[in-house]
Amino acid sequence: EVQLVESGGGLVQPGRSLKLSCAASGFTFSNYYMAWVRQAPKKGLEWVATISTSGSRTYYPDSVKGRFTISRDNAKSSLYLQMNSLKSEDTATYYCARGQFGRYFDYWGQGVMVTVSS
Amino acid sequence: DVVLTQTPPTLSATIGQSVSISCRSSQSLLDSDGDTYLNWLLQRPGQSPQLLIYSVSNLESGVPNRFSGSGSETDFTLKISGVEAEDLGVYYCMQATHAPWTFGGGTKLELK
Repeated sequence: EVQLVESGGGLVQPGRSLKLSCAASGFTFSNYYMAWVRQAPKKGLEWVATISTSGSRTYYPDSVKGRFTISRDNAKSSLYLQMNSLKSEDTATYYCARGQFGRYFDYWGQGVMVTVSS
Repeated sequence: DVVLTQTPPTLSATIGQSVSISCRSSQSLLDSDGDTYLNWLLQRPGQSPQLLIYSVSNLESGVPNRFSGSGSETDFTLKISGVEAEDLGVYYCMQATHAPWTFGGGTKLELK
């Protein structure tokens, strides 16, 4: 059974950093693109980052480019999101998702809440 | 960025009724590789999103065949042939043809 379990969320002050983790199991992690998608409270979905199978290629929207870094450790079947210079508008539930060639997300984690507030 | 406009924003249905949701794109979603990367997801209350359909009309494994997708270029439709109680929630279309990937604003399916 495919499982994606996020961790690392919490309350953080504006301008500070936070690192999210996603532990994957039930599939060969190194064979899949992975992604982060977020959802602000009572709002819709926003794609945040995607990483290729080897980690050599990463993709971001302008809203987080230069502040967020997606990475992976295939030996540990783990995905990460390093978030720097956090803003109040980054407050959201962050979902880890498995990507099929990066074009669609077929499995999602339960999500982890990040609140950016002073 | 590609803007996806979903209509209606809210849909009220009775059990057994067939309904459709529209997703219109600000640009053609036909990729240079010949595929069209328009997907549909359902987010039930309090749950994570779930993939229903990928590349316009391909049913994800385990998804009931009362769900179907159609369309091309800029106009796409998700149809539910006979709504069941478990289908309630918010439906999102998502495009992965043009970076950055974007989502529609959502359509909330409620019981009438």
